Amino acid sequence: DVKVTQSSRYLVKRTGEKVFLECVQDMDHENMFWYRQDPGLGLRLIYFSYDVKMKEKGDIPEGYSVSREKKERFSLILESASTNQTSMYLCASSGMGQGAIYNSPLHFGNGTRLTVT
Amino acid sequence: GENVEQHPSTLSVQEGDSAVIKCTYSDSASNYFPWYKQELGKRPQLIIDIRSNVGEKKDQRIAVTLNKTAKHFSLHITETQPEDSAVYFCAASRYTGGFKTIFGAGTRLFVKA
Repeated sequence: DVKVTQSSRYLVKRTGEKVFLECVQDMDHENMFWYRQDPGLGLRLIYFSYDVKMKEKGDIPEGYSVSREKKERFSLILESASTNQTSMYLCASSGMGQGAIYNSPLHFGNGTRLTVT
Repeated sequence: GENVEQHPSTLSVQEGDSAVIKCTYSDSASNYFPWYKQELGKRPQLIIDIRSNVGEKKDQRIAVTLNKTAKHFSLHITETQPEDSAVYFCAASRYTGGFKTIFGAGTRLFVKA
């Protein structure tokens, strides 16, 4: 069974702090994703990665950066946390999919609830 | 940019009735459409998915239909049960070097016993 592990379940940070959210998957998946989940807005894509050192912006990348130095690990970085980044952050991974044409299902971590005060 | 719209935002049905959730997508290059169920306090989990080369797929009480021309896909749950109560998300995925996956805003389904 695929396991996607997020390092923290709850985090409380102060405005202006640099914040690292870590995600590790154990299924050798090529694709990894960071979403934030807010009531009424669903899951919004921040960044995704399809290979080591490769990253692509999602729909709301402003204020965030990512790092993928190893295949199994995808980190989300808030360079200077702000109160509007208070949210639930979900990491996900997926395999290459059939013939690299279709995606395969995303497997999610348990989420990190970040509060910025 | 790419967009996935999902309706309704809230749906309340009586146990045993059917529930239908509808989504439309904007990117015609999308070719994979999964549906996820998220129970309170838990992670989203895949319940069914469909690829663009298929018009319909069924798994017991759950079915999904896809209309590529209209860029529209729907989730159908028959004989609903209280344990079906959850938030359901549709998503659309396309290949852009990696697989970009965009989600709808979610539908909160209440099944009344």
